[in-house]
Amino acid sequence: GAVVSQHPSWVICKSGTSVKIECRSLDFQATTMFWYRQFPKQSLMLMATSNEGSKATYEQGVEKDKFLINHASLTLSTLTVTSAHPEDSSFYICSAREASGTYNEQFFGPGTRLTVL
Amino acid sequence: AQSVTQPDIHITVSEGASLELRCNYSYGATPYLFWYVQSPGQGLQLLLKYFSGDTLVQGIKGFEAEFKRSQSSFNLRKPSVHWSDAAEYFCAVGPTGGGNKLTFGTGTQLKVEL
Repeated sequence: GAVVSQHPSWVICKSGTSVKIECRSLDFQATTMFWYRQFPKQSLMLMATSNEGSKATYEQGVEKDKFLINHASLTLSTLTVTSAHPEDSSFYICSAREASGTYNEQFFGPGTRLTVL
Repeated sequence: AQSVTQPDIHITVSEGASLELRCNYSYGATPYLFWYVQSPGQGLQLLLKYFSGDTLVQGIKGFEAEFKRSQSSFNLRKPSVHWSDAAEYFCAVGPTGGGNKLTFGTGTQLKVEL
């Protein structure tokens, strides 16, 4: 149980285009989902926290208009990178927290590799 | 603010040898502590976690970790490493009593020599 999927697993796009990444909890309901960004050989940096049915909470320094997050249901959150540029190239990982889960029990997706040309 | 330090960026061990990965944290109280493993191009898998109680916790894949309050440490150990253990290992802390935000260390890259 507690499986989180991400789609796509990798994407290449041209500079200036927008890219949408989906995060789904497959076998549980997730009231909270998290989006992380990971640069090569570095740790995960939390970008934002999304709660189902409400606006996402962004970490300091993360552009809200650049990284649009929607958590429309208990099993799906989406991250849209708008007007992507090469510096947005990164590995994006989502995680989901069970609605009835214990403290900080987050389950991570396999990640999405974004390359912006 | 909470922080996590993993002092070893890279560690190389021989297959069958013992392993210890270090993790030190900074937090006002006893945090919730986690170890995750990440294989190349993959997400994170939880190895083990500590919330309270017995300071020696057992995890999956034969890993264990010991919480030492006096040293603010939560080191990960394995008595005999397998080649498949080669991966990136992350220590993380979360606030006591729940809450969402996990803070990750910078990771330790483990290489296993055959």
